[in-house]
Amino acid sequence: SQQGEEDPQALSIQEGENATMNCSYKTSINNLQWYRQNSGRGLVHLILIRSNEREKHSGRLRVTLDTSKKSSSLLITASRAADTASYFCATVPTQGGSEKLVFGKGTKLTVNP
Amino acid sequence: SAVISQKPSRDICQRGTSLTIQCQVDSQVTMMFWYRQQPGQSLTLIATANQGSEATYESGFVIDKFPISRPNLTFSTLTVSNMSPEDSSIYLCSVGPGGTGELFFGEGSRLTVL
Repeated sequence: SQQGEEDPQALSIQEGENATMNCSYKTSINNLQWYRQNSGRGLVHLILIRSNEREKHSGRLRVTLDTSKKSSSLLITASRAADTASYFCATVPTQGGSEKLVFGKGTKLTVNP
Repeated sequence: SAVISQKPSRDICQRGTSLTIQCQVDSQVTMMFWYRQQPGQSLTLIATANQGSEATYESGFVIDKFPISRPNLTFSTLTVSNMSPEDSSIYLCSVGPGGTGELFFGEGSRLTVL
């Protein structure tokens, strides 16, 4: 069953603006990850944040995790047209195998040039 | 990291037929994961394939419909049997060699059933 729920489902912004996507989940987790999927292609891992971390940065990406609210956010700063893709959060539940990821429904981001 | 090759990248199939998808990894991995992504939807785990043992299927997926082979530590196949239009999806192979839960994905196999 799906663990994460992203919002918004779709987001359209202008190049240079920041994009924020949110993810909520239901059970306790070991870590939370964000993935990117270009149209109809495979997924690419962006960033992993552990349950004992609150914030993590990677280039133009900033991820926060609030385990008390069971939520995470992904911020992409200074967006580019090439950032157009679907973004999925995925959690590793505390129960079950360490590599068994459960994906959310995704946010479709469109960055207009 | 891991590089994963999937074949075919896409196919159009007739109802009632079966199709086998191949997944080749450039390194040895213990577990390989098969996901399904229906049009416009998220990824759903079909099964986990371990070398030398039967695959472990998730709720809603059965071996008769999605038989999996895992003959060695770098290769796996997923067969979609007796296909119907509802099986039209992207099927993705993935591995997690690092043990952190981070997954590497193949490019996916886009299947259309007419």
